[in-house]
Amino acid sequence: QQQVKQSPQSLIVQKGGISIINCAYENTAFDYFPWYQQFPGKGPALLIAIRPDVSEKKEGRFTISFNKSAKQFSLHIMDSQPGDSATYFCAASDGGATNKLIFGTGTLLAVQP
Amino acid sequence: EAGVTQSPTHLIKTRGQQATLRCSPISGHTSVYWYQQALGLGLQFLLWYDEGEERNRGNFPPRFSGRQFPNYSSELNVNALELEDSALYLCASSPRQGWNTEAFFGQGTRLTVV
Repeated sequence: QQQVKQSPQSLIVQKGGISIINCAYENTAFDYFPWYQQFPGKGPALLIAIRPDVSEKKEGRFTISFNKSAKQFSLHIMDSQPGDSATYFCAASDGGATNKLIFGTGTLLAVQP
Repeated sequence: EAGVTQSPTHLIKTRGQQATLRCSPISGHTSVYWYQQALGLGLQFLLWYDEGEERNRGNFPPRFSGRQFPNYSSELNVNALELEDSALYLCASSPRQGWNTEAFFGQGTRLTVV
């Protein structure tokens, strides 16, 4: 019940295309859903986050879509660029007593020029 | 504003030895989290410290321990190192309890056990 399932494991997109990464969760107590971007040799960097009271959040080329009833959320990268090539992790937290951030297994994105 | 800093960047230890990893949170952040990122296993929650107290720990054996100092910096100790402890150890900090605020990760310490 604590798992966050992420897909696909890897993704190849052409420059200018849309990258879509999906995540699903079981624990209805989760109330915070961030996405992190990680480049090789670096720590994860917070990209964008959403709470379940909204269905979509957009920041620049990055959009989170959230479906509370389906317990799914996804990251859309519009106009994908080679510089977006990285590993992306979705995560979820209940922010409560456990205060754990549960991560998905990651998606390796490669944007081809 | 300085980010989360971790030291050392790389650490090589022999099986059975002890490793000590250090983390300095962003100024003003009181919560520190430790995660293990082993190859192919994603990020696994290790420990959470807030205001000097251990608040929660993940599903790791007791030889993984740590502490938080009065200045909110933190130390992770791994005793009796095993080969499978080889991983990137990440520290993160947040202004207060809860990931519902922005939390930031450091660059990590790459621990190699030989």
